[in-house]
Amino acid sequence: GAGVSQTPSNKVTEKGKYVELRCDPISGHTALYWYRQSLGQGPEFLIYFQGTGAADDSGLPNDRFFAVRPEGSVSTLKIQRTERGDSAVYLCASSNRADTQYFGPGTRLTVL
Amino acid sequence: QKEVEQNSGPLSVPEGAIASLNCTYSDRGSQSFFWYRQYSGKSPELIMSIYSNGDKEDGRFTAQLNKASQYVSLLIRDSQPSDSATYLCALYNAGNMLTFGGGTRLMVKP
Repeated sequence: GAGVSQTPSNKVTEKGKYVELRCDPISGHTALYWYRQSLGQGPEFLIYFQGTGAADDSGLPNDRFFAVRPEGSVSTLKIQRTERGDSAVYLCASSNRADTQYFGPGTRLTVL
Repeated sequence: QKEVEQNSGPLSVPEGAIASLNCTYSDRGSQSFFWYRQYSGKSPELIMSIYSNGDKEDGRFTAQLNKASQYVSLLIRDSQPSDSATYLCALYNAGNMLTFGGGTRLMVKP
């Protein structure tokens, strides 16, 4: 079956701009996660959704970051006033068993 | 101290040898442990999970867990050049998230 999909695969933006990153989870998976991976590092947790609600957003670095999942399927990660330090690969994962998570291909964000 | 520690490598092994990848963790409450493989420029791919002390084998892969010593390892038998990748150790606890180590880069030389 289809895996987790993410769009766009690459996003280049200028400092101060707003970006949206989209994640389409595996069909039927109720749990959805966003992680951020910097070069040479492991993924770092950002936010977790169970259904439509954000069950844990403790990993969001600051209030410029926000994510939604209005219908309990597709999720959008939104970053306002982007900074060069936001450059990373943003990974989405979904799960129907909380500890077993399947990752999408990621969105590589570059902030110039 | 990081929650999950891995030697960054690179770990270089000849084709056909056993590759041994190690990971230590600090949270004694962790219940579930995972190994992900990540090829350069790609996303992490789940290859093994382990929940109980001891060994778990799946094909050429064996995961080992020792909760008392707080380490988990991955053995890859008959290593192939296609196994060359970064291997990420991750744990899951009640925090509803995976916590990853920094990964170990494995190079299998023909």
